[in-house]
Amino acid sequence: GENVEQHPSTLSVQEGDSAVIKCTYSDSASNYFPWYKQELGKGPQLIIDIRSNVGEKKDQRIAVTLNKTAKHFSLHITETQPEDSAVYFCAASPRGGATNKLIFGTGTLLAVQP
Amino acid sequence: SQTIHQWPATLVQPVGSPLSLECTVEGTSNPNLYWYRQAAGRGLQLLFYSVGIGQISSEVPQNLSASRPQDRQFILSSKKLLLSDSGFYLCAWRDYRDRSYNSPLHFGNGTRLTVT
Repeated sequence: GENVEQHPSTLSVQEGDSAVIKCTYSDSASNYFPWYKQELGKGPQLIIDIRSNVGEKKDQRIAVTLNKTAKHFSLHITETQPEDSAVYFCAASPRGGATNKLIFGTGTLLAVQP
Repeated sequence: SQTIHQWPATLVQPVGSPLSLECTVEGTSNPNLYWYRQAAGRGLQLLFYSVGIGQISSEVPQNLSASRPQDRQFILSSKKLLLSDSGFYLCAWRDYRDRSYNSPLHFGNGTRLTVT
């Protein structure tokens, strides 16, 4: 089955710097890769996603890149702000059969220092 | 627009007591529904998912069960809680029309369960 690894587990940056979180997946048939942001005491919220037919996607300060050959994808946050501090999760959605779920990485705790 | 509700937000229960957590979705029909557990503040473990009324798939054998008595209602239950059942329980939905499963899950705000 699909396995998703996420690094780093914690990341501390200065306000205004960039932050990069990386994930690798094992199932080459996976075709959908969302990123979630989880604030303390709340459920994860989708911030950006990418499908396997696209290599990069941007939304203001957030971008995601996908390398299907290497089976890894990354989240890039530019000009970080204190409100970006949260736990970020990557996920992969295996395609086909009875699969009906997202497989999540173990999360990255991002701390943006003012 | 679609919304998802979970309750209660927090719950403290003694070992051996029963459990019932409820999740409802509004603004969509026949959603795919999911229960996840998040332990130790990090990883999300899929417990159950459902593609329709009365249809439940279990991912991890354990002390919990799930039911879907109505189209937009998903319930997580236990007859006797264990200490290890403590955690943050999240309900989520997904659009049933996505047959390729390349659309996001939408999560509720979770229930923090502490078993004492």
